Amino acid sequence: NAGVTQTPKFRILKIGQSMTLQCAQDMNHNYMYWYRQDPGMGLKLIYYSVGAGITDKGEVPNGYNVSRSTTEDFPLRLELAAPSQTSVYFCASREREISYEQYFGPGTRLTVT
Amino acid sequence: TQLLEQSPQFLSIQEGENLTVYCNSSSVFSSLQWYRQEPGEGPVLLVTVVTGGEVKKLKRLTFQFGDARKDSSLHITAAQPGDTGLYLCALTGGGNKLTFGTGTQLKVEL
Repeated sequence: NAGVTQTPKFRILKIGQSMTLQCAQDMNHNYMYWYRQDPGMGLKLIYYSVGAGITDKGEVPNGYNVSRSTTEDFPLRLELAAPSQTSVYFCASREREISYEQYFGPGTRLTVT
Repeated sequence: TQLLEQSPQFLSIQEGENLTVYCNSSSVFSSLQWYRQEPGEGPVLLVTVVTGGEVKKLKRLTFQFGDARKDSSLHITAAQPGDTGLYLCALTGGGNKLTFGTGTQLKVEL
């Protein structure tokens, strides 16, 4: 199993550009999450999904969108990138009703200039 | 909104020393997790504590859940450079979501 994979690993965007951060998991987990982490800080939840076709907002959803068309994939879309979105983005998944353990991907480091 | 604060924010110690980091919540929670994050990687789960007063050990790491279920601590005995990383607590309230603490950045030097 590859676990949770994220692409790209690094990206530089100009203000106003858009991009999609890709996330995939091969563990057949129902729950998936997107977080952002600013330097030296904890993680803040952007969006999450409890299954294909179902998504919900987290703590900091403004400026982002998600979709969940399959169990495996959970892309995060940034529209009109702003410097405040410079951060490291982590995707995670969790097995339903087994435990609260979340499995994290390696992250995408995004810089908006 | 439930707040989860960790202290200290930064800790730099010598190899062989002992240390304790703390996690405190503004309200009671059902269970709590501790994660460790190494530079350039995602967090990895260390332990989940669910019972007030519970103590769990993982080699040189000892985790304690407060009796009142509002706090937790992580104690490391004889720290090693491999313990260096960001330690995050996360509470498991609110159904499907985790709320992460602010983190303790630990550096263990030779």
